Amino acid sequence: QQQVKQSPQSLIVQKGGISIINCAYENTAFDYFPWYQQFPGKGPALLIAIRPDVSEKKEGRFTISFNKSAKQFSLHIMDSQPGDSATYFCAASFSAGGKLQFGAGTQVVVTP
Amino acid sequence: SAVISQKPSRDICQRGTSLTIQCQVDSQVTMMFWYRQQPGQSLTLIATANQGSEATYESGFVIDKFPISRPNLTFSTLTVSNMSPEDSSIYLCSVKLQGRRAFFGQGTRLTVV
Repeated sequence: QQQVKQSPQSLIVQKGGISIINCAYENTAFDYFPWYQQFPGKGPALLIAIRPDVSEKKEGRFTISFNKSAKQFSLHIMDSQPGDSATYFCAASFSAGGKLQFGAGTQVVVTP
Repeated sequence: SAVISQKPSRDICQRGTSLTIQCQVDSQVTMMFWYRQQPGQSLTLIATANQGSEATYESGFVIDKFPISRPNLTFSTLTVSNMSPEDSSIYLCSVKLQGRRAFFGQGTRLTVV
């Protein structure tokens, strides 16, 4: 049973455009929501993370929007660049322990 | 952040054999984890490697198949035993630092033939 559902599976965006990836979760005990970026042949790299007491967090061109009542969160990549082409994973974890539940991943392709 | 080194980075193994993957961290960490990422798929947690005690396995993973050692706070090994082609995956070591941040190694790409 997948505890974190991610969509879309893939998306293509033009350079300069906005990439939007959505995730939804069921377990309201989750209290930490990171996003990871993975390039081929590499391990996932922590991109940005948010806690449920915050509705939005921005770091550079990357923004997480969090809707606690809807149990949804999303990643926005502003001014997308070809170097952003990668697979992005959302995840969630509980405060006790540190194991992460991952979404299925979204392959983002930014065209020149 | 943490620097996590995994060895080997890749290997091709014969079915029925075993492979031990090493994970070395540049600082002492309490929590270490092993994940599996099947081709084109997401990450699935195999187990939490506990220092000084047995690993805690997730549903669907057993100690006989994936024995784990954690001799100290900077090192862990994962063994994939009696391998079959279905074990072909990327195996990733992860550590959790203070503040909930989790970091991953580069992964070990395993192909079983």
